[in-house]
Parts: sequence; structure tokens; C-alpha cells
Amino acid sequence: LAKTTQPISMDSYEGQEVNITCSHNNIATNDYITWYQQFPSQGPRFIIQGYKTKVTNEVASLFIPADRKSSTLSLPRVSLSDTAVYYCLVGTKGGTGRRALTFGSGTRLQVQP
Amino acid sequence: EPEVTQTPSHQVTQMGQEVILRCVPISNHLYFYWYRQILGQKVEFLVSFYNNEISEKSEIFDDQFSVERPDGSNFTLKIRSTKLEDSAMYFCASSDQLNTEAFFGQGTRLTVV
Repeated sequence: LAKTTQPISMDSYEGQEVNITCSHNNIATNDYITWYQQFPSQGPRFIIQGYKTKVTNEVASLFIPADRKSSTLSLPRVSLSDTAVYYCLVGTKGGTGRRALTFGSGTRLQVQP
Repeated sequence: EPEVTQTPSHQVTQMGQEVILRCVPISNHLYFYWYRQILGQKVEFLVSFYNNEISEKSEIFDDQFSVERPDGSNFTLKIRSTKLEDSAMYFCASSDQLNTEAFFGQGTRLTVV
């Protein structure tokens, strides 16, 4: 599985846009990039998944450059409730006999009022 | 929104005892996972399960651990002889395919004393 590197922590203020970048230099051709959010004492929650270019849903956007060696999760206008740990995961999807996604240390986002 | 349910929410057990953690995955999902998170640490992959057999397991998932899908709805994790270091939050998850959006349960906090 491709190794991922993310900042350990980030601080922001309410109403700002937050961009969290993840490096995955050895991403494989068939790998997808997936982001999860985790609040204290809760299970991780899926945010977004993409393969290339840009993916947007009601919660976030995911930007993936052409070389796919990094990706950026963009959270528009964060609120206090967005304070959480954000994980970037890389791996194949679908099929059988492949490896399940593994979590790294994540980025702890603290949103201040 | 569909959800994964786990029981119990908290279990205290004595060292050496067997515990069974229970999970009800989302009904039409085909892949099931167990992860654990020791307090303050990252989410660690234990095992994935597909088509009524283990698809992949990590180094943590040794002979003391086993999983079972005893009927069409439940997915269980058994720890045969618990150790102090098994104390953690255990999360069950399910997805329709490998590494697509996984839904996590709220977790079972296991405390071994």
C-alpha cells in the first residue's frame, strides 16, 4: 500500500476554507484516494473518494493533480463542529484478494471561534 | 442513513477471559472489517471478511482472534484469552465492495483488567 504523509495538526477559524494536503508519492496506477473524518470516541466517517482531477460532494472537495502524488481535501467555510482528525488513505477498490485500507496518523484539525 | 450497529458499547473483562464483540453490518454490504484504536493512537486494521471467509488479516490478528458471521446479519469478533494490551476501542465496518465507502459502527470500548 502507498505510504501517505499528512500534517500532524492544523488550526483554523470558523468560516475559513481549510485545505489539508496528503502526499502519496508511490501511489499505484489502480489506487484511489479516500478521506475519512473521526471525532473523539466515534468511528471514522467517509468524506470523499477520488481517482484524479476533482471530486466534489456536499461536504468537501478533493483535488488530485495529474501526477497523483498528492491530494488536497478542501473543507469550505469550516465550523466548530469540523474539529476532528482527518485521514488520507490510498488503495485499490473493488475486486477480491486485495488489501484493505489502512489508516495513518491523520491530521488533527482544530477550528477556533 | 444506513448504519452499522455494535454491541456492547462498553465491555469490561478480566485478563484471560474470552470476549465476543458483536456487529450488525449494513444489510446489502459484502465486505466486513474490524479495526481497533488504542486510546490516543491511530486506527489499526485487524481483519477483512468477504464471502464467508477472511480476506486479509494484519499481524495484530493472531491466533487469539477469530471472526465469524454466524447468520445473515451478525459479524462477530472473538478474543479467546484477553490481555491487558487488548484494551482499545474496536470498530466494525462494512462496505459494498472492497475499499469503497465504508460505514463504521460507534465502536465497543473493551477494557481488560
